[in-house]
Amino acid sequence: DTAVSQTPKYLVTQMGNDKSIKCEQNLGHDTMYWYKQDSKKFLKIMFSYNNKELIINETVPNRFSPKSPDKAHLNLHINSLELGDSAVYFCASSQVRASSGYGYTFGSGTRLTVV
Amino acid sequence: KNEVEQSPQNLTAQEGEFITINCSYSVGISALHWLQQHPGGGIVSLFMLSSGKKKHGRLIATINIQEKHSSLHITASHPRDSAVYICADPRLYGNKLVFGAGTILRVKS
Repeated sequence: DTAVSQTPKYLVTQMGNDKSIKCEQNLGHDTMYWYKQDSKKFLKIMFSYNNKELIINETVPNRFSPKSPDKAHLNLHINSLELGDSAVYFCASSQVRASSGYGYTFGSGTRLTVV
Repeated sequence: KNEVEQSPQNLTAQEGEFITINCSYSVGISALHWLQQHPGGGIVSLFMLSSGKKKHGRLIATINIQEKHSSLHITASHPRDSAVYICADPRLYGNKLVFGAGTILRVKS
């Protein structure tokens, strides 16, 4: 199936731990993203990568480090987890289409709970 | 003030009703997105539109570029339409989406 797949779907961990979320897309898209959805369901960009190059880092703490080994993968590593990091993290990918802007595909989300 | 404003925030409708969700945005460089998020959490892209009107089944999206306003309509609403509907305005830099706060729709049978 063509998709954006992210793992794990749920992640419960203690404060202070380090964790990673993985994302892969097989759509051939050239841009990948991490978005965060807070407790009020508001979505906000964290990072954007284009062909493995970091384009956007939207005032995200240094504890969050994205890594893109190739243009089909964008992983998110979080150090020293804090209670406030609890949220749903969505990976997404897009491809520019000259005629109509760019189409987006989202992963199914990772619900991170820090206890 | 959010750059993308949606109204209403919450909407409860009876099955069969015609539903309208509105979105006002500030930039409008590229096609506006309408997204759907079901209670299970996944986000699905419904429409990308940069002019006029698009239709997919019972869903219709319209956009007025001059007024920077878009509407999402659902005809003959059904309980399975219950979800959060989100409009998003793209930015050229980084291709990121700036989201509205979402409209929580509940359709009762």
